[in-house]
Amino acid sequence: KAGVTQTPRYLIKTRGQQVTLSCSPISGHRSVSWYQQTPGQGLQFLFEYFSETQRNKGNFPGRFSGRQFSNSRSEMNVSTLELGDSALYLCASSFGDRGTEAFFGQGTRLTVV
Amino acid sequence: QKEVEQDPGPLSVPEGAIVSLNCTYSNSAFQYFMWYRQYSRKGPELLMYTYSSGNKEDGRFTAQVDKSSKYISLFIRDSQPSDSATYLCAMEQGAQKLVFGQGTRLTINP
Repeated sequence: KAGVTQTPRYLIKTRGQQVTLSCSPISGHRSVSWYQQTPGQGLQFLFEYFSETQRNKGNFPGRFSGRQFSNSRSEMNVSTLELGDSALYLCASSFGDRGTEAFFGQGTRLTVV
Repeated sequence: QKEVEQDPGPLSVPEGAIVSLNCTYSNSAFQYFMWYRQYSRKGPELLMYTYSSGNKEDGRFTAQVDKSSKYISLFIRDSQPSDSATYLCAMEQGAQKLVFGQGTRLTINP
């Protein structure tokens, strides 16, 4: 059974640009969550999608957005990149409603220069 | 003040030692308590989770939750070098939203 796949694995962007990250969940999983991981703040919840609807959102500025497609694949977008957006962005998928059932991908390492 | 506090370490112990990792939290509404392990350049993987108070054992790992003290622990017995990783505690706040501790970096020395 394939795991959660995130692409690309590494990305370097310039301040002010925008970026789109992709997440393919485990087959059959309908919930996709996104997290940002930094050395200073740790893992922080960005948002969660289920059946193409955003059900939950963390405390991040509007520059961070996401969407989910009918095949459950999800993308997140960050516009007007800032140096502080450099982080590991992690996607997790689950079949049910419990966070205990979430499986994480390996993440996309974003560096903003 | 963060909702979940975890000492980032680093923690270094000899092989075979018993390791104790801990987190405290402030939100009494948390019901599910999880421990994740994260190796370098990998995503977190779930080790075990506990519902409400009590203990749960899985092989060399034991998770404890004391809701009266808002304190959770993970014990690793007979620690191995392969246990060297960052350990993250997490609590569920609403469907699919996890609140994580900072993570403790653990090194087991052969």
